[in-house]
Amino acid sequence: DGGITQSPKYLFRKEGQNVTLSCEQNLNHDAMYWYRQDPGQGLRLIYYSQIVNDFQKGDIAEGYSVSREKKESFPLTVTSAQKNPTAFYLCASSPDRANTEAFFGQGTRLTVV
Amino acid sequence: GQSLEQPSEVTAVEGAIVQINCTYQTSGFYGLSWYQQHDGGAPTFLSYNALDGLEETGRFSSFLSRSDSYGYLLLQELQMKDSASYFCAVRGSSGGSYIPTFGRGTSLIVHP
Repeated sequence: DGGITQSPKYLFRKEGQNVTLSCEQNLNHDAMYWYRQDPGQGLRLIYYSQIVNDFQKGDIAEGYSVSREKKESFPLTVTSAQKNPTAFYLCASSPDRANTEAFFGQGTRLTVV
Repeated sequence: GQSLEQPSEVTAVEGAIVQINCTYQTSGFYGLSWYQQHDGGAPTFLSYNALDGLEETGRFSSFLSRSDSYGYLLLQELQMKDSASYFCAVRGSSGGSYIPTFGRGTSLIVHP
């Protein structure tokens, strides 16, 4: 079955540690996105990538980093510079730059203690 | 920049019809999408409007008025399973890329 896989579903880390969230898709989509979701705040764009080896900052990129070395993979690293990293992180992809429809993974809930 | 406004919560009874409104401000508007998200789950795509008018997909319909920067999602014959959050998302442009911006979401509560 085609889809987007995020792992792990739940992640706990100590404050000050970097952590990498995985996002893999087998839909052959060019564009991939990372969103952060906090209660009552909707989805906020962290980073996006329209093509392999290229990515752009979204609205809240500070304290995060990404890579896009393969079309299928778009990992997100939450660094120690992110002041409030506890949140629900969603990865999405769309077939092309037009992005009329986005397909989401099941999300990773990160808790930093 | 882009911004969207939608009600934070809507309640209705099973079998009823409910309308969730969305107003937006954006540069380079290209379309309005709607997504459904159940608690703790992934958002799933419902509909997309690029042109004015009503798009119908089963019990769900979506409307767009570009001149009013306004759209709505209409849910008919409500079922308990429709209790979820609904997000509108506007597709605007940024440096040649089409980036979706999401509203804060509307929590729909369906009562028996």
